[in-house]
Amino acid sequence: DVKVTQSSRYLVKRTGEKVFLECVQDMDHENMFWYRQDPGLGLRLIYFSYDVKMKEKGDIPEGYSVSREKKERFSLILESASTNQTSMYLCASSGTSGPIENYNEQFFGPGTRLTVL
Amino acid sequence: DQQVKQNSPSLSVQEGRISILNCDYTNSMFDYFLWYKKYPAEGPTFLISISSIKDKNEDGRFTVFLNKSAKHLSLHIVPSQPGDSAVYFCAARDYNNNDMRFGAGTRLTVKP
Repeated sequence: DVKVTQSSRYLVKRTGEKVFLECVQDMDHENMFWYRQDPGLGLRLIYFSYDVKMKEKGDIPEGYSVSREKKERFSLILESASTNQTSMYLCASSGTSGPIENYNEQFFGPGTRLTVL
Repeated sequence: DQQVKQNSPSLSVQEGRISILNCDYTNSMFDYFLWYKKYPAEGPTFLISISSIKDKNEDGRFTVFLNKSAKHLSLHIVPSQPGDSAVYFCAARDYNNNDMRFGAGTRLTVKP
């Protein structure tokens, strides 16, 4: 089974702190994604990556950066946390092996609920 | 600008009846559609998908219908079970960008 793990389930930080959210997948997937989930807004894409050291902006990249130094790990960085970044953060991965209809399926981690005070 | 819309934030259904969850989209470049199910404190899990070249895909109690001309898809669950109670997200892939757009989700409650 595909497993996507996130470093923390709950995190509380103060305004202005630098925050690292870590995501690791064990299926050798090429693609990794960071979303945030907010009530009434669903999942919004922050950043994604198709390969090591590659990154692409999603819909809401402002205030965030990412790092992908290894294929299995995709980190989301909040350089200076703000209260409007309080949210549920979800990491996902997807691969390009096997039947082509499987390419679109994303596997999600359990999420990190971040509170910025 | 939400390209994928789920206009019903919640739906309540009696056990054994049909649940119909709806999703509308605006981007004609979407070529693949998925439904995800999310329980509290867990990440979304894939449920069922459909390619834009089809109008129906069925998997057990779950059927997804796609109406391309109306830019509308729906998920039918029959018969509904209490364990189906969750938030359901509709998602669509943009062929050009190869990334996914999600709707806001619909919370389904199946009452025993």
